[in-house]
Amino acid sequence: NAGVTQTPKFQVLKTGQSMTLQCAQDMNHNSMYWYRQDPGMGLRLIYYSASEGTTDKGEVPNGYNVSRLNKREFSLRLESAAPSQTSVYFCASSPQITRNTEAFFGQGTRLTVV
Amino acid sequence: TQLLEQSPQFLSIQEGENLTVYCNSSSVFSSLQWYRQEPGEGPVLLVTVVTGGEVKKLKRLTFQFGDARKDSSLHITAAQPGDTGLYLCAGGGGSNYKLTFGKGTLLTVNP
Repeated sequence: NAGVTQTPKFQVLKTGQSMTLQCAQDMNHNSMYWYRQDPGMGLRLIYYSASEGTTDKGEVPNGYNVSRLNKREFSLRLESAAPSQTSVYFCASSPQITRNTEAFFGQGTRLTVV
Repeated sequence: TQLLEQSPQFLSIQEGENLTVYCNSSSVFSSLQWYRQEPGEGPVLLVTVVTGGEVKKLKRLTFQFGDARKDSSLHITAAQPGDTGLYLCAGGGGSNYKLTFGKGTLLTVNP
């Protein structure tokens, strides 16, 4: 029972490098999310996809792009990494149910930008 | 922007003690969730409350949603070291599919 799978689990980048974080869910959920978690800041929404074919900005979208490849997969791309993007990134998915937006999370990607 | 304030931010107690953590907002939420996150893991859903005044129990954990659907509390009875973790509340709103998270309460239960 995989749930939400994120790859890679750890990554170190040099400033200016690019990379894509991958996320896949096997629960047939319509909505998917990317969050970042920093100490003392809680979880902040970067981008979300309410359904296949749609994406929208969250609270902190600058420096990121996303692609909802199909219903299962939602990727997050850093085009030119900066030290401020050092964080733990979580992908989540949820059923598209009004009034009950429960999220199921992956295990996270720990990214360090040097 | 809907904001959720959690208190306290840190809590360290002895095994067997009771505790309550709070999640407050000036906004109305259509539902509210509580998650627990352990080190190195993603948050895991504990409970969802959707009706004002609703109370749900999960073993030693009691969750309450305020009558006006702006606040919630989590009460743990006879805390155990296994309860240690970061407790996050998250509010869901209508048709925009977004969850807003509080900053969390970091609970440590000492043996």
